[in-house]
Amino acid sequence: RKEVEQDPGPFNVPEGATVAFNCTYSNSASQSFFWYRQDCRKEPKLLMSVYSSGNEDGRFTAQLNRASQYISLLIRDSKLSDSATYLCVVGPMDSNYQLIWGAGTKLIIKP
Amino acid sequence: DAGITQSPRHKVTETGTPVTLRCHQTENHRYMYWYRQDPGHGLRLIHYSYGVKDTDKGEVSDGYSVSRSKTEDFLLTLESATSSQTSVYFCAISEGVEQPQHFGDGTRLSIL
Repeated sequence: RKEVEQDPGPFNVPEGATVAFNCTYSNSASQSFFWYRQDCRKEPKLLMSVYSSGNEDGRFTAQLNRASQYISLLIRDSKLSDSATYLCVVGPMDSNYQLIWGAGTKLIIKP
Repeated sequence: DAGITQSPRHKVTETGTPVTLRCHQTENHRYMYWYRQDPGHGLRLIHYSYGVKDTDKGEVSDGYSVSRSKTEDFLLTLESATSSQTSVYFCAISEGVEQPQHFGDGTRLSIL
């Protein structure tokens, strides 16, 4: 089992729809959780941190479920510009206490 | 955007040649990281630094070395490049090990 797992997609979603991603992690001792977005041939950019109580930033909502060891990202009223790969990041968990990155979920928003 | 500059942005070289990639930051962050990204894989940590002259290995460190002689610069060296090291290399910085990381634009390296 991978330490951080994401559905690779692609998710094909019509503009204006709501889309949700989940990301599971294996180490129950993990303390930090983030969502990044990465556009094609670009660097990853921080989308939002994920807090225990859940947090929202405009159309984006992130949730943490420690009991089931997953984090989620909800995008409401999706825009064409939301098309990207969304990376789940968890840490620290390995022997070097560094972040572990999921392989990403590709999202395609269609007009 | 965080002040991180990677150089070169693109490089094509031959198997067996040495290659050095440079990462320069203007944020005075303590931590610096080198990752590689390949299709089907998440970002994989090569080496990281937690201060001047303080470095440690990551998940895929074989064939790579690093140096950090100044806070702002972190160099990644492939002593003798192999075709399996063809990849996109990203440098990242963070204030602390549990803090979010911010990335440079990446270096596309092709080893022929």
